[in-house]
Amino acid sequence: DSGVTQTPKHLITATGQRVTLRCSPRSGDLSVYWYQQSLDQGLQFLIQYYNGEERAKGNILERFSAQQFPDLHSELNLSSLELGDSALYFCASSVAGTMNTEAFFGQGTRLTVV
Amino acid sequence: GESVGLHLPTLSVQEGDNSIINCAYSNSASDYFIWYKQESGKGPQFIIDIRSNMDKRQGQRVTVLLNKTVKHLSLQIAATQPGDSAVYFCAELTSGTYKYIFGTGTRLKVLA
Repeated sequence: DSGVTQTPKHLITATGQRVTLRCSPRSGDLSVYWYQQSLDQGLQFLIQYYNGEERAKGNILERFSAQQFPDLHSELNLSSLELGDSALYFCASSVAGTMNTEAFFGQGTRLTVV
Repeated sequence: GESVGLHLPTLSVQEGDNSIINCAYSNSASDYFIWYKQESGKGPQFIIDIRSNMDKRQGQRVTVLLNKTVKHLSLQIAATQPGDSAVYFCAELTSGTYKYIFGTGTRLKVLA
């Protein structure tokens, strides 16, 4: 158990809908990262938050957004869903204040868009 | 369980043999590297890391080698066990970016 909790584990929804994925980081970790993992593209960095503020942005679509709350949990919002958004979405957390630190991953949320 | 990366390169190794998994990283400015193991249906799990001021680092049954000249990273697993069967990713990080870049992964299959 990495200490990072993601909910829900599985989500099935229709095209055009909006979903919210939730992540609780490890106790004491201030940084949260979101990744998308699809079969043909591997792990893709989406966005990172540090202590409530956006720190880095990767290949995140405009239809997607995220935030980190004062209690440090984070949510990833996916809207106007398309079939191609079906993927595993991982959250990871790491100790803040140090750039070179390992990130611990949650178990992921499997999103299926039908 | 779920399959990750159906089109990943696969390395098949006999149980008890040593495994070597390779990774070519993309950014010459990257100064921190990690190997992750991902079992079917699970999130990536940290195995070992190495900073760019080192060429080699050893853990328990694992060794990571870094060749900055050719931007190459390798993971050596000694006495490979069935539990080592998984997809292995390398990740690179450039100081100041906070963005990990992951390799495409290699599937390791351990043959009994």
